[in-house]
Amino acid sequence: QGQLVESGGGVVQPGRSLRLSCAASGFTFGYYGMHWVRQAPGKGLEWVALIRHDGSNEDYLDSVKGRFTISRDNAKNTLYLQMNSLRAEDTAVYYCARASLLTMIDAFDMWGQGTMVTVSS
Amino acid sequence: DIQMTQSPSSLSASVGDRVTITCRASQNINTYLNWYQQKPGKAPKLLIYAASSLQSGVPSRFSGSASGTDFTLTISSLQPEDFATYYCQHSYRTLAFGGGTKVEIK
Repeated sequence: QGQLVESGGGVVQPGRSLRLSCAASGFTFGYYGMHWVRQAPGKGLEWVALIRHDGSNEDYLDSVKGRFTISRDNAKNTLYLQMNSLRAEDTAVYYCARASLLTMIDAFDMWGQGTMVTVSS
Repeated sequence: DIQMTQSPSSLSASVGDRVTITCRASQNINTYLNWYQQKPGKAPKLLIYAASSLQSGVPSRFSGSASGTDFTLTISSLQPEDFATYYCQHSYRTLAFGGGTKVEIK
């Protein structure tokens, strides 16, 4: 039924950049809207960004606007999150998630295993 | 921004109990509301979408309902594998999750 595999996490100093990738397989990636969701250690889920199936529209959590950029390469079946000017409060597990085609309302029916981003000096 | 207030933040229950979790939206979100289950160290799993539609493969003991800006997830008979944290999520104009409800063993 497919899978999502994130990569690119790690430890980075405040103010630096990191790019996350999410490789999709087993389904037609270009049909689906995709999202990034994060979870700080011991905390709840927080939606971060979305991109529509054809890249025509993006949206972001207010606290990451201007710092994070979501993009996708449908030919490579890959989703990206470019994170610039990182802050300590961006420390979290970052999940990529697929928006279900069964509904128009962005329900996440497939998730990756997550990649940890730690922002620390 | 639309705020989602999820309650309770935690509860203790026994196997076989009926469990109800509520999310209240700060304004009308139609039925743009989904529910997820998350176990420690794992990614979330979609249970209910559009307030009351059961995701494929999810046991029928899970159900969702809506009344105005109040949304409810019900587990009709709690099973051992249901001890987890549950989140609501809206997607009306933007997206946001509720704070979560941890269901623990009594």
